[in-house]
Amino acid sequence: KAGVTQTPRYLIKTRGQQVTLSCSPISGHRSVSWYQQTPGQGLQFLFEYFSETQRNKGNFPGRFSGRQFSNSRSEMNVSTLELGDSALYLCASSLDTSGFSTQYFGPGTRLTVL
Amino acid sequence: GEDVEQSLFLSVREGDSSVINCTYTDSSSTYLYWYKQEPGAGLQLLTYIFSNMDMKQDQRLTVLLNKKDKHLSLRIADTQTGDSAIYFCAEAGNTPLVFGKGTRLSVIA
Repeated sequence: KAGVTQTPRYLIKTRGQQVTLSCSPISGHRSVSWYQQTPGQGLQFLFEYFSETQRNKGNFPGRFSGRQFSNSRSEMNVSTLELGDSALYLCASSLDTSGFSTQYFGPGTRLTVL
Repeated sequence: GEDVEQSLFLSVREGDSSVINCTYTDSSSTYLYWYKQEPGAGLQLLTYIFSNMDMKQDQRLTVLLNKKDKHLSLRIADTQTGDSAIYFCAEAGNTPLVFGKGTRLSVIA
């Protein structure tokens, strides 16, 4: 069974631009979560989607948004990029949103904002 | 709120055992996880333990859980240079996964 895939793997953008990242979950998984990883803050939860609905949201500004499609694929968007948005963005998929459902991570998208 | 604490660095000699420790605060945690991250890569699920278990063994990996003290440990037997990575402890409950800052394991040949 294929794992979680994320595209693109690397992105370089400039301040003020916007970016869209994509995540395809493991087949059969209906929940997708997004995390931001930086050296200073570690792994921080962005949001979680299940059946095309946002179920949970972390403490990030409104510039960060996401959505999930009927095939469970998810995208996240960051508008008006800031230097501090440079990070590794990780997507994780799980069967559902319960605490009993293990999350499997993709390889991440490395975003650099210049 | 929930918090997960780990020591930041651990250095061991090849062939020795490594023990990585973690403390957490959420008593309603259902599962506790260990993930491994190699340079430039995502998080690889290593193992997990259900909150009502004390111990779980999986080949070279042993997880110990002390629920009273909210302490979790990961023991890697016969540590190899390929085990050099950052190891994250995470707790799952009614909220999204909460991660520790990660322990960087360096294996000296």
